[in-house]
Amino acid sequence: DAGVTQSPTHLIKTRGQQVTLRCSPKSGHDTVSWYQQALGQGPQFIFQYYEEEERQRGNFPDRFSGHQFPNYSSELNVNALLLGDSALYLCASSLQAAEAFFGQGTRLTVV
Amino acid sequence: RKEVEQDPGPFNVPEGATVAFNCTYSNSASQSFFWYRQDCRKEPKLLMSVYSSGNEDGRFTAQLNRASQYISLLIRDSKLSDSATYLCVVNTDTGRRALTFGSGTRLQVQP
Repeated sequence: DAGVTQSPTHLIKTRGQQVTLRCSPKSGHDTVSWYQQALGQGPQFIFQYYEEEERQRGNFPDRFSGHQFPNYSSELNVNALLLGDSALYLCASSLQAAEAFFGQGTRLTVV
Repeated sequence: RKEVEQDPGPFNVPEGATVAFNCTYSNSASQSFFWYRQDCRKEPKLLMSVYSSGNEDGRFTAQLNRASQYISLLIRDSKLSDSATYLCVVNTDTGRRALTFGSGTRLQVQP
């Protein structure tokens, strides 16, 4: 079992650009959540996808959007990147209300 | 006020010491409580769930006080391998898990 996998592992983007991050959930999991972790902080909930729909959303602007595919994999898109978007982006998958497992994250640097 | 508050530390303790971390949460509707462990530049991993009756897993003991909205983690006989950041986590929804993280408490166990 491959666990939760995220790609890419590292990314450097310029202010104003757009970025897409990808997540494949653990086998058998149907729910994907995305978190942003700034340096020295705990992860902050961005949104959660289940049955290809956004079910819950944290306090993030509309520049942050996502998608879930029929195979349960997910993408996180961020438009008009700001320097403050630099962070570790974590994907977590779960089956219904069971334990959430995290991927290793994508480290995004905006310059 | 942050939803989940923790002392950032660092806690520097010698091997074999007992160390306790505390955490408070602001939302009285919180349903589930956890401690996660995060190693440097790695993803968070579930250490243990926290129940009202208290629970123990080897050298680790977690306690929950709903009246005071307070969670604790006790680590006995600290090992070098316990060095990590410990994240206090709550979940306020009854369904799928959107987790609210504290900023974490850093522990450094010294030889």
